[in-house]
Amino acid sequence: SQQGEEDPQALSIQEGENATMNCSYKTSINNLQWYRQNSGRGLVHLILIRSNEREKHSGRLRVTLDTSKKSSSLLITASRAADTASYFCAQETSGSRLTFGEGTQLTVNP
Amino acid sequence: GAVVSQHPSWVICKSGTSVKIECRSLDFQATTMFWYRQFPKQSLMLMATSNEGSKATYEQGVEKDKFLINHASLTLSTLTVTSAHPEDSSFYICSAALASLTGELFFGEGSRLTVL
Repeated sequence: SQQGEEDPQALSIQEGENATMNCSYKTSINNLQWYRQNSGRGLVHLILIRSNEREKHSGRLRVTLDTSKKSSSLLITASRAADTASYFCAQETSGSRLTFGEGTQLTVNP
Repeated sequence: GAVVSQHPSWVICKSGTSVKIECRSLDFQATTMFWYRQFPKQSLMLMATSNEGSKATYEQGVEKDKFLINHASLTLSTLTVTSAHPEDSSFYICSAALASLTGELFFGEGSRLTVL
C-alpha cells in the first residue's frame, strides 16, 4: 500500500488532556505534513516539518519527526472539544505529491 | 491563506450520467492541482495530478477515461466522472500547490457525489 499507518485509529479523551497521534511511513520524504478534517469537510493544514527537522511547534501543536524510524507524532496539548476531528499525516515525496496516512479520529469530550 | 474553491459541494445524479466538479484557486495561480477521493471513514487516495496545459498524470488503478481531468487555466481544474455508477459515490477533494518554498497545499472543501 502506498499509504502510511497512523495509530491509534481512534482516540477519545477529556478536555484538558493531551492527545498524541503517531504516523509511520515507508519511503524517503521531503517533508511530512499534518492535516485536520472535520466531518464531511475539506482538509486544513496544521503544520509541516521538513526531513532535516526533528521537532516543530505551533501553538498547542507539537510535531516530531524521526527519519531513522520513518515515524512522526502529533501532540495536541490542553485539548478542547473543538479539536474533535480526524487528523491525517501526509508525506511529500516530490512535487507536492502527498501520500496520506489512514488517519486518527480524535474525540474530545467536554 | 490561499483559498481553493470546489463546486458543487454536493451532487446527486442518476447512474449513467456524467458529473463535472470544478476546482478553482481564487487568489493565486496553481500550475499543479491534485484530485483525491475519500470513501467514508477512510483516508484520501490520490487519483491524479493535474498540470496546467498538459495531460493529467493518473495514479495506478485510476481509469483515465472514467475520470477526465482538464486543467485549462492556472486557476481552474475540472474532474468529470463519466457514466457514473453507484460505486463512484464518494467525496472528491482537490488541492492546489502554492508556488512557494513551504510545500504547503491548499485544499478545497470537497464535493460529495452520490450516484443513484
